[in-house]
Amino acid sequence: GIQVEQSPPDLILQEGANSTLRCNFSDSVNNLQWFHQNPWGQLINLFYIPSGTKQNGRLSATTVATERYSLLYISSSQTTDSGVYFCAVRGDTGFQKLVFGTGTRLLVSP
Amino acid sequence: ETGVTQSPTHLIKTRGQQVTLRCSSQSGHNTVSWYQQALGQGPQFIFQYYREEENGRGNFPPRFSGLQFPNYSSELNVNALELDDSALYLCASSFSSHNEQFFGPGTRLTVL
Repeated sequence: GIQVEQSPPDLILQEGANSTLRCNFSDSVNNLQWFHQNPWGQLINLFYIPSGTKQNGRLSATTVATERYSLLYISSSQTTDSGVYFCAVRGDTGFQKLVFGTGTRLLVSP
Repeated sequence: ETGVTQSPTHLIKTRGQQVTLRCSSQSGHNTVSWYQQALGQGPQFIFQYYREEENGRGNFPPRFSGLQFPNYSSELNVNALELDDSALYLCASSFSSHNEQFFGPGTRLTVL
């Protein structure tokens, strides 16, 4: 099945810093989502982005489907950005489950 | 618009018991997917229901079973609980099996 790798596994930032999280996947996809999991376990949708670029406030994402990667940019980070960021993809042949990466754990300190 | 809801929030069971978890899908969504998330890992797909039929399943044994009702809400049943079943169970709904998924807050199951 499709493989998803996220990097870096852990990231520590000072408040106000910028960061880039990466998601690599092993096959063509028809769905790619970025999530933020808060300390209570809730997965919050950030982007639905199988291709192209989107922006939402301080966050933006780019997926280059032909090269099988996606990037999540966080600018001017805040302590509330702390948590685990997951990338999840679904392959585009037949029924495919949504496959999650192992996540990037982000800690933003004041 | 009501989001995805799950019940109960927390649950403690003993090995060998059976458990039922519940999920109400977001308004307008007809597809529900269930995931298991062990501590420190990403969610793992259990199965998906579309219009009351199971249309996809991950690598979970048959003691994990489910239902979807005419209002598109869903249940996850786990029989003969094992210690390794301790996890956060997440439910997600979507407009169809290929669209963006939206997750509920999860049920945290502890098996003693």
